[in-house]
Amino acid sequence: DGGITQSPKYLFRKEGQNVTLSCEQNLNHDAMYWYRQDPGQGLRLIYYSQIVNDFQKGDIAEGYSVSREKKESFPLTVTSAQKNPTAFYLCASIPQGAGTGELFFGEGSRLTVL
Amino acid sequence: RKEVEQDPGPFNVPEGATVAFNCTYSNSASQSFFWYRQDCRKEPKLLMSVYSSGNEDGRFTAQLNRASQYISLLIRDSKLSDSATYLCVVNPHGGTSYGKLTFGQGTILTVHP
Repeated sequence: DGGITQSPKYLFRKEGQNVTLSCEQNLNHDAMYWYRQDPGQGLRLIYYSQIVNDFQKGDIAEGYSVSREKKESFPLTVTSAQKNPTAFYLCASIPQGAGTGELFFGEGSRLTVL
Repeated sequence: RKEVEQDPGPFNVPEGATVAFNCTYSNSASQSFFWYRQDCRKEPKLLMSVYSSGNEDGRFTAQLNRASQYISLLIRDSKLSDSATYLCVVNPHGGTSYGKLTFGQGTILTVHP
């Protein structure tokens, strides 16, 4: 089945460690997004990529890094520079061109920094 | 001013009530708008797209007011299952091109018996 797969679903890390969250899609979508959600809050955009080998900072990019070497993959690294990394991370994709405008989301990754 | 703003609520309404949420946006060039629904600890799901003057889907009606730069979501005959967080999303690009998709902070709705 087509969709977006995020892994891991739950992750615990010690403070100061870098963490990489995986996001893979087999929908042949061009654009991919990473959002962060804190309890009781909306989604805040971290990074997005509209095409392979290109990505743009969102509203809260500090302390995060991404790469887009393949169309289907958009991993997010939470670095030690991110001051408060504990959150729910959501990856999404959307096709450019014809479509409903619907963002397809993965099930999310819950990161807890101890 | 935030790019996209919503009244966070919470809205607590009885079953059968009509409830409306608003979402304001700052970029007057924004072209397309969406309402998503998010259940607790789950990913958001598309509820409705709002492209021009609005649209209706059963008990749900979405409206766009370009002059005042806001979109609204009206839910009629509320059901218990409508309890969720409702998020608006704004696309600054025209047509079917998608760039920086910005979410509002969400409006929490609780429907009680």
